[in-house]
Amino acid sequence: ETGVTQTPRHLVMGMTNKKSLKCEQHLGHNAMYWYKQSAKKPLELMFVYNFKEQTENNSVPSRFSPECPNSSHLFLHLHTLQPEDSALYLCASSQPTGSNEQFFGPGTRLTVL
Amino acid sequence: AQSVAQPEDQVNVAEGNPLTVKCTYSVSGNPYLFWYVQYPNRGLQFLLKYITGDNLVKGSYGFEAEFNKSQTSFHLKKPSALVSDSALYFCAVRGMEYGNKLVFGAGTILRVKS
Repeated sequence: ETGVTQTPRHLVMGMTNKKSLKCEQHLGHNAMYWYKQSAKKPLELMFVYNFKEQTENNSVPSRFSPECPNSSHLFLHLHTLQPEDSALYLCASSQPTGSNEQFFGPGTRLTVL
Repeated sequence: AQSVAQPEDQVNVAEGNPLTVKCTYSVSGNPYLFWYVQYPNRGLQFLLKYITGDNLVKGSYGFEAEFNKSQTSFHLKKPSALVSDSALYFCAVRGMEYGNKLVFGAGTILRVKS
């Protein structure tokens, strides 16, 4: 897990707050991902970045805004979230070819009040 | 479209017994298949993958998985379970035409009792 780090590990925010999640990978990968993990639901892919370009937006509401300033860093900007957005948000990285496994960070546990 | 099914929400096994966690998939064309494990309050850890070649794949911590194309299955196995294997296991698939977009199953909780 030390190859992909995420901060903060826990976040509690109100529905009117603006916050950001940060992900950093030290593996030299060129693809980064955001996933949402909710209880008793499959892991949901949110966004994919390949070589800093967004290549996938899986019908994610606009209150989630990703940013990828370089191949090592990925952010998820949050604003006016809803209580149902409470979940574990996981970041992952890989080389961008299909046969490569993804490496995951420990996640940010988000609670929206 | 690509999809993964893990038909068991939970698998219980006694320590020292063999374990199997089931996974079936649906994808057009040849698949890339993966198994991940998640311990409490942790991210997912890669266990093994099937790309091509030998249908029996060996991975970390003594786990292995067998690719069966006719049954579109990729079951995870271990000859002798340990209590420390207790965790949440995810199967994932990527069709070759889907780039690096991975689809996960809902997960199976494995409980190994001493």
